[in-house]
Amino acid sequence: EAGVVQSPRYKIIEKKQPVAFWCNPISGHNTLYWYRQNLGQGPELLIRYENEEAVDDSQLPKDRFSAERLKGVDSTLKIQPAELGDSAVYLCASSTLGQGPLNTEAFFGQGTRLTVV
Amino acid sequence: ELKVEQNPLFLSMQEGKNYTIYCNYSTTSDRLYWYRQDPGKSLESLFVLLSNGAVKQEGRLMASLDTKARLSTLHITAAVHDLSATYFCAVVLIYVNQFYFGTGTSLTVIP
Repeated sequence: EAGVVQSPRYKIIEKKQPVAFWCNPISGHNTLYWYRQNLGQGPELLIRYENEEAVDDSQLPKDRFSAERLKGVDSTLKIQPAELGDSAVYLCASSTLGQGPLNTEAFFGQGTRLTVV
Repeated sequence: ELKVEQNPLFLSMQEGKNYTIYCNYSTTSDRLYWYRQDPGKSLESLFVLLSNGAVKQEGRLMASLDTKARLSTLHITAAVHDLSATYFCAVVLIYVNQFYFGTGTSLTVIP
């Protein structure tokens, strides 16, 4: 079974430019997460979807970040315009949390390493 | 706001030695996870702990959970170089499908 797929793996852009990340979760996983991981730190939640609904976007900087999950499957995360401080690894994860047994876990993609110069 | 703290943040240990990583969290949770992350790679699930007193073991790693103390430990026995990585604990709030991650512990095992 394919895991969580993210693209691109790496992205280098100049500040003020737009950038978009794509995530394809594991089939059947209704919950999708976007996390940002700064160097040497743990992942921090940006937004959580349950199916196509964004149920927690309280940590998403809405002035420049946007996300969507059309049809409750793939998701995109966009930054426009990017700032130097946005350089980080953006991780997508999916899970069946709430759907099935308690021991369900979150499965993570490889991440997109963004460098803003 | 849920806070998850790990200590130590950095750990350098010799092969063959034992050590414990601690994970404290600030509010009631019904499950706790341990993840491993190798440099430049994504997070890999190690353990899921669901109840007070739960203990899971895999190879040289053993995780335990004390929900009353809001504390989980990850014990490393007779460390080997392959265990070098960053280890994260993550807590899920009851009835909220959300993972809150700790700060991570960067482990280096020295031959």
